Amino acid sequence: AQSVTQPDIHITVSEGASLELRCNYSYGATPYLFWYVQSPGQGLQLLLKYFSGDTLVQGIKGFEAEFKRSQSSFNLRKPSVHWSDAAEYFCAVGTTSGTYKYIFGTGTRLKVLA
Amino acid sequence: KAGVTQTPRYLIKTRGQQVTLSCSPISGHRSVSWYQQTPGQGLQFLFEYFSETQRNKGNFPGRFSGRQFSNSRSEMNVSTLELGDSALYLCASSVEASQGTQYFGPGTRLTVL
Repeated sequence: AQSVTQPDIHITVSEGASLELRCNYSYGATPYLFWYVQSPGQGLQLLLKYFSGDTLVQGIKGFEAEFKRSQSSFNLRKPSVHWSDAAEYFCAVGTTSGTYKYIFGTGTRLKVLA
Repeated sequence: KAGVTQTPRYLIKTRGQQVTLSCSPISGHRSVSWYQQTPGQGLQFLFEYFSETQRNKGNFPGRFSGRQFSNSRSEMNVSTLELGDSALYLCASSVEASQGTQYFGPGTRLTVL
């Protein structure tokens, strides 16, 4: 079955520290891959996406993600976290065969310490 | 370009009532998807509409229904509300139904008392 796993429910980092949020997926082919961010009570904002090509993808707000086919992973990174990055982050997979579906992970809530 | 808009932003209803939520997609987008988000269940897919046709449906009871108009605007309806229907309902639009990126609206917060 297709699934997306975000193994870390909560992550706390200090402002200025680096960040890596993990995302693993289970899918029979290479899917479309997305990261979204959600502030409390708000909708989801697209951070970045991967469809094909270069496996290192740059996004907004200084985020980047790397697709690793061998590990079925699409981890999100930021070299220096800002207090405004505190939010919930969702990884999503778009299927590339059959009926198109978006499958979301359960999210990782990021807390940033001043 | 204006983003996805959802109305109303907040709703309070009582059990047994029905509710209609509205979503206007980004101009030029023809696909609209609906999601329910709760703390316990996370983001769950409700259904997707493309060119006024339901293309995909999640695992929700028949009390949840939707439709899409010729201008791509979409509505979802929940009848006979239950306490467990309290959630943030998110609408997302994309250019096509079969691929691509979904762009989300701010959501409608529904509280059922």
